[in-house]
Amino acid sequence: KNEVEQSPQNLTAQEGEFITINCSYSVGISALHWLQQHPGGGIVSLFMLSSGKKKHGRLIATINIQEKHSSLHITASHPRDSAVYICALPNTGNQFYFGTGTSLTVIP
Amino acid sequence: NAGVTQTPKFRVLKTGQSMTLLCAQDMNHEYMYWYRQDPGMGLRLIHYSVGEGTTAKGEVPDGYNVSRLKKQNFLLGLESAAPSQTSVYFCASTGQGNYGYTFGSGTRLTVV
Repeated sequence: KNEVEQSPQNLTAQEGEFITINCSYSVGISALHWLQQHPGGGIVSLFMLSSGKKKHGRLIATINIQEKHSSLHITASHPRDSAVYICALPNTGNQFYFGTGTSLTVIP
Repeated sequence: NAGVTQTPKFRVLKTGQSMTLLCAQDMNHEYMYWYRQDPGMGLRLIHYSVGEGTTAKGEVPDGYNVSRLKKQNFLLGLESAAPSQTSVYFCASTGQGNYGYTFGSGTRLTVV
């Protein structure tokens, strides 16, 4: 049983397209993180969400605690957005459940 | 720059050799984690710590040991390296309430 489900697993988009990555979970949480990992690179935390919506540049993250669902949106996508996006949920043991990641490729 | 620093960045070991990976954070975070990342497997928790002097096993602890003698440092040790431990290792830390989830840049370890 996987506590966190991400979709899609792989995504290819044309530069400029609006992108949505989804994360559904089955456990009660207080917050959810969206992480970004570029090929061969380190992992960066993009957002930590406990309710509503957050925006940073072209990235928007939303969460619906009642529906146990979060989305990461990228507006006006660019090739430099190509990366793996991972949602992560802290559990009661101070550990994290991870989604399997969404591999995004943005083509010029 | 504030953050999580991992050393070394790359290492090649022979089977049976030992080594220690160092993770240092300067954000006064309580919680620190060691993960390994393998192709198609995602991040798997090796060991973690909820405070200075504490350690706990994660999902894949066998073959590894850890110590957190100082709040800012979390060491991961391999006593007798095996080829199955070839991986990319990431350290991370968070503060109370899981704020500031920050990763190190990773250590690419190859065991031959």
